[in-house]
Amino acid sequence: KQEVTQIPAALSVPEGENLVLNCSFTDSAIYNLQWFRQDPGKGLTSLLLIQSSQREQTSGRLNASLDKSSGRSTLYIAASQPGDSATYLCAAAGGGSARQLTFGSGTQLTVLP
Amino acid sequence: EAGVAQSPRYKIIEKRQSVAFWCNPISGHATLYWYQQILGQGPKLLIQFQNNGVVDDSQLPKDRFSAERLKGVDSTLKIQPAKLEDSAVYLCASSSGTGRTEAFFGQGTRLTVV
Repeated sequence: KQEVTQIPAALSVPEGENLVLNCSFTDSAIYNLQWFRQDPGKGLTSLLLIQSSQREQTSGRLNASLDKSSGRSTLYIAASQPGDSATYLCAAAGGGSARQLTFGSGTQLTVLP
Repeated sequence: EAGVAQSPRYKIIEKRQSVAFWCNPISGHATLYWYQQILGQGPKLLIQFQNNGVVDDSQLPKDRFSAERLKGVDSTLKIQPAKLEDSAVYLCASSSGTGRTEAFFGQGTRLTVV
């Protein structure tokens, strides 16, 4: 059974800092890994999706990497802004035909002005 | 392109009552998911549909929860009878089921059982 862990559970940084969020998964036979953002009281917004054959994906100030062999993914946020404050969740899609998403518990990020 | 629509946004019920949630996925998406997210935790998969067939319902408490996806489009999730521990946000998501299989989520329904 896939288990996804995110560390740290909470992170507070001053505006302008670069930061890294970590995600680890126990079963390396994944189809893809997806990073989401969740604002309080809202649903999930997809940020980046990395296919199992890829090593990284970039969108604006966000860069996500994937290392299947070690069961790890990172989300790098450059030049953080107060508007980046949210909970960031990673989810691993299973390698079977069903491709279920298994989520971590998230990292709650606060960017201080 | 319209996103995943869910209703209602909020619901407050007493324990032992019943409640139903509705989801309309993105047009053409074959895969539909229902997740339960308890405060402070990541979403947990309750049930996954591929068209109108169930792919995975291993974590669905079948004694009180039921879900259906008629005609492979809209879906409803029902809880009967509700318990206090069912208080959570219920998220619906859909994906094309092929290729990138990127999942798109609705705004969720926040259920409070008192």
